[in-house]
Amino acid sequence: QKEVEQNSGPLSVPEGAIASLNCTYSDRVSQSFFWYRQYSGKSPELIMSIYSNGDKEDGRFTAQLNKASQYVSLLIRDSQPSDSATYLCAVTDYGGSQGNLIFGKGTKLSVKP
Amino acid sequence: NAGVTQTPKFRILKIGQSMTLQCTQDMNHNYMYWYRQDPGMGLKLIYYSVGAGITDKGEVPNGYNVSRSTTEDFPLRLELAAPSQTSVYFCASSYQGQGARNEQFFGPGTRLTVL
Repeated sequence: QKEVEQNSGPLSVPEGAIASLNCTYSDRVSQSFFWYRQYSGKSPELIMSIYSNGDKEDGRFTAQLNKASQYVSLLIRDSQPSDSATYLCAVTDYGGSQGNLIFGKGTKLSVKP
Repeated sequence: NAGVTQTPKFRILKIGQSMTLQCTQDMNHNYMYWYRQDPGMGLKLIYYSVGAGITDKGEVPNGYNVSRSTTEDFPLRLELAAPSQTSVYFCASSYQGQGARNEQFFGPGTRLTVL
């Protein structure tokens, strides 16, 4: 069974700190990796995607991918209370349709003012 | 562009009733998906479609049916509703083709309660 594992949290960080969210996946052939943000009662919103080993930066967000270790992470710099949400990690499932994603259960982040 | 839209936002059903959850996208995406999300359980794929007239089962298809007659619409049908189908349902779409990267975009969701 292909799996995406995330620490459920809650992860609590003070305002202005760096929040580090981690994800491991079981399928070695996965090629595309995504981070979604989901506010309580809302739908998932795509915030980062990464396809190659290394770092990808977009504003305060940095995604990091290590395919050898089957590990992907999301760093949020200068965390704000508005970043408080559940963050979902998703990876492509090449066992089924090329477009399918496998989602982790999410990590709940709380940023304290 | 409205993106992915879903109706209704909320619905309460009695056991044994049926209903259709509507999903429409205006991004000309060829792939569409239905997920359910239960508390603490993550997103589970119910059905997906790779184009008009083509659908396939996901991880948890039992109790549901879908159809895809147009590129834009992908309705989800619940027959004989059961309490186990109480959940939040999300529709999503993505463009798959040369250079595509599997990015999926979600609708606002339908919160369904079966009593």
